[in-house]
Amino acid sequence: DGGITQSPKYLFRKEGQNVTLSCEQNLNHDAMYWYRQDPGQGLRLIYYSQIVNDFQKGDIAEGYSVSREKKESFPLTVTSAQKNPTAFYLCASSISSGIGSQHFGDGTRLSIL
Amino acid sequence: QKEVEQDPGPLSVPEGAIVSLNCTYSNSAFQYFMWYRQYSRKGPELLMYTYSSGNKEDGRFTAQVDKSSKYISLFIRDSQPSDSATYLCAMSVANQAGTALIFGKGTTLSVSS
Repeated sequence: DGGITQSPKYLFRKEGQNVTLSCEQNLNHDAMYWYRQDPGQGLRLIYYSQIVNDFQKGDIAEGYSVSREKKESFPLTVTSAQKNPTAFYLCASSISSGIGSQHFGDGTRLSIL
Repeated sequence: QKEVEQDPGPLSVPEGAIVSLNCTYSNSAFQYFMWYRQYSRKGPELLMYTYSSGNKEDGRFTAQVDKSSKYISLFIRDSQPSDSATYLCAMSVANQAGTALIFGKGTTLSVSS
């Protein structure tokens, strides 16, 4: 089955620690995205990538970094500079042309220890 | 004024009721409108996708777009307990990959049997 796999489902971060969230897709989609979801806040865009080796900042990129070395993978690193990292992180992908709807993974819930 | 406004609810209805979910928006450049359903601890899944104004029907679901009023709706007929979820509206100005989706905060729906 084609889809988006996010791992781990739950992640805990200590103060001053960087953590990396994994996102893998086998949909052959060119574009991939990272969103953050907080209670009562909706989804906010962190970073997106339209092609391999290229990515752009979204609305709330500070304290996060990404890489796109392979078409199917778009990992997100939450750095120690992100002072309020507790949230539900969602990865999505979309086709390169045609409809702009995005397909989502089942998320990673990040908490502070 | 936020770009997309959505009443967070919660909305509680009995099984079999007709449900109306709504979003208003301020950016007249939005052309692509989507409704996502999100179950607890899961990623959003695309329910309906419409371009410009008009209605679109899929089974028990009908999506309406009124661009003159900057208002979109999702109607659920014969609601079922399995429809209990958070419903997110989303919209974009274009359909190219990499176009950011702007999400509402989501409406939580509970259908009781």
